[in-house]
Amino acid sequence: AQKVTQAQTEISVVEKEDVTLDCVYETRDTTYYLFWYKQPPSGELVFLIRRNSFDEQNEISGRYSWNFQKSTSSFNFTITASQVVDSAVYFCARSMEYGNKLVFGAGTILRVKS
Amino acid sequence: ETGVTQSPTHLIKTRGQQVTLRCSSQSGHNTVSWYQQALGQGPQFIFQYYREEENGRGNFPPRFSGLQFPNYSSELNVNALELDDSALYLCASSRTQNTEAFFGQGTRLTVV
Repeated sequence: AQKVTQAQTEISVVEKEDVTLDCVYETRDTTYYLFWYKQPPSGELVFLIRRNSFDEQNEISGRYSWNFQKSTSSFNFTITASQVVDSAVYFCARSMEYGNKLVFGAGTILRVKS
Repeated sequence: ETGVTQSPTHLIKTRGQQVTLRCSSQSGHNTVSWYQQALGQGPQFIFQYYREEENGRGNFPPRFSGLQFPNYSSELNVNALELDDSALYLCASSRTQNTEAFFGQGTRLTVV
């Protein structure tokens, strides 16, 4: 199976620390999308970013940034100056082919303590 | 613009029973996907509907079936419920098959 691996099961940080969530994926597709979603305790998956496999430029959105390296099949997510409200489960996912049917990783639980 | 809504929020069923879960897609979205998320795991793709036709299916048995209606809302039906079907069922809608998907809050199904 072409997996998505999030090696960190759980991370605990103190507020204002920077934290990086790792994601490594497998795929035989030449074109695909990569995603990050946030799942707060309410259960809804909140869309954070979609990245095209052709676009390896890093992206920054406020305190969030993403580093995509096709050579290592990694798509890591960094939160700068973490806040308590960032506490959630974060999922990395890749598309099956070039669409939006998704294969998810197992998720990383992020706990930000005040 | 309303988001993706699912009903019911919670449901308890007995093993062997049948269940129907419902999803209203976001306005302007014609594609709906369903996912099963067991406790402590990532969501797993069940199937996708595009303009009322099934457009791909994950590794789930035939007792998992679905429908999409002309207004693009959708149902997930599960027959002969098993204990392992206990999970959070998530619906996601998207403008097309290739655009980002937005998820509902899920239906928590417990099979006893």
